[in-house]
Amino acid sequence: NAGVTQTPKFRVLKTGQSMTLLCAQDMNHEYMYWYRQDPGMGLRLIHYSVGEGTTAKGEVPDGYNVSRLKKQNFLLGLESAAPSQTSVYFCASRRAVEADEQYFGPGTRLTVT
Amino acid sequence: AQTVTQSQPEMSVQEAETVTLSCTYDTSESDYYLFWYKQPPSRQMILVIRQEAYKQQNATENRFSVNFQKAAKSFSLKISDSQLGDAAMYFCAYRSARLHRDDKIIFGKGTRLHILP
Repeated sequence: NAGVTQTPKFRVLKTGQSMTLLCAQDMNHEYMYWYRQDPGMGLRLIHYSVGEGTTAKGEVPDGYNVSRLKKQNFLLGLESAAPSQTSVYFCASRRAVEADEQYFGPGTRLTVT
Repeated sequence: AQTVTQSQPEMSVQEAETVTLSCTYDTSESDYYLFWYKQPPSRQMILVIRQEAYKQQNATENRFSVNFQKAAKSFSLKISDSQLGDAAMYFCAYRSARLHRDDKIIFGKGTRLHILP
């Protein structure tokens, strides 16, 4: 049982390049989330999904797109990377049960130069 | 909109001593969940403790306990017998108890805890 995994763990992009971050969970969780973590800012929600085929915007969605074609995967895309998107990105998932907590992946450190 | 405030960006405590991390939140809801997460240098987010707002009894997990004051909208974390492995960033988080399609968890900005040997 791998839990929540993220690919890649590190990436350096040039401004304007595109990339996709992959989040996978093997716990059959309905809900999945993408956060970014910046120094002094805590975790901020980018996008989330409450089920396969559904997505919704979080607090800071601009510049990102997401897709959830399969229940176990949640993809985060950057179409044209900007230096402001340099951050650590975390994926999380949880069951559709009221009291359940979120389970986090190990994070992806992205640097945009 | 709900907000979570952690007023202490950094704290230090001597090993084996007790330390309390503060968290306040703002909400108009009556039913919700509160969490404390720990993020060690490995970056992995780990759940420390959870509190359901409808429960008056404070949650405890071994050396970790909370002081939940619903009227004051306060949710502090107490760490007893501090250990070197407790050194980490600690995040307070809020989530509505309503299972609806607008599911979000709100995090505070974190408190970095240093353990002094």
